[in-house]
Amino acid sequence: GAGVSQSPSNKVTEKGKDVELRCDPISGHTALYWYRQSLGQGLEFLIYFQGNSAPDKSGLPSDRFSAERTGGSVSTLTIQRTQQEDSAVYLCASSLSGERNSPLHFGNGTRLTVT
Amino acid sequence: SQKIEQNSEALNIQEGKTATLTCNYTNYSPAYLQWYRQDPGRGPVFLLLIRENEKEKRKERLKVTFDTTLKQSLFHITASQPADSATYLCALFTSGGSYIPTFGRGTSLIVHP
Repeated sequence: GAGVSQSPSNKVTEKGKDVELRCDPISGHTALYWYRQSLGQGLEFLIYFQGNSAPDKSGLPSDRFSAERTGGSVSTLTIQRTQQEDSAVYLCASSLSGERNSPLHFGNGTRLTVT
Repeated sequence: SQKIEQNSEALNIQEGKTATLTCNYTNYSPAYLQWYRQDPGRGPVFLLLIRENEKEKRKERLKVTFDTTLKQSLFHITASQPADSATYLCALFTSGGSYIPTFGRGTSLIVHP
């Protein structure tokens, strides 16, 4: 079956513009995660959705970042007034149950470059 | 503070040898530990999961150990092949409330033919 799909794969934007990144998780997966990965750095947690529960937004670095998950499926990560330090690869992952023994399935990410 | 440490230096080995990668952690009490593989330009891919009450887990040429006393997991690839060259990440799930895995920075493995 299809894996996690992210779009666009690459995005170049000017400083100060807003961007939207999209994630289509694996069908039937209840948990969805956003991470970002800067060059040579580890995965930095951003936000976690589980079913109909309120999302865990504890990793969002500033109020310029927000995310939605509509209908328990597709998710959109929005970055307003982008800054150069927002440049990174944004990775989305889904898991079947969100339980600790449930592996994460990652998309190939959106590479965001802010000029 | 909580910390997950993986060797930042690349591990270079010859084809056919066993590769051993290390994941050390401090100030965690992980209930589960996962290993992922990441190729350039791609997202991480899940390989193995080990629970805190398991000492060892195997899958084909892969073996993971989990020593909660040493606070360390070792990841072994036997009979390594050039196709095993990638970055390997460990991820911890702590016991208690969090369902969000924390990832190490990963170690790059290069297998030379």
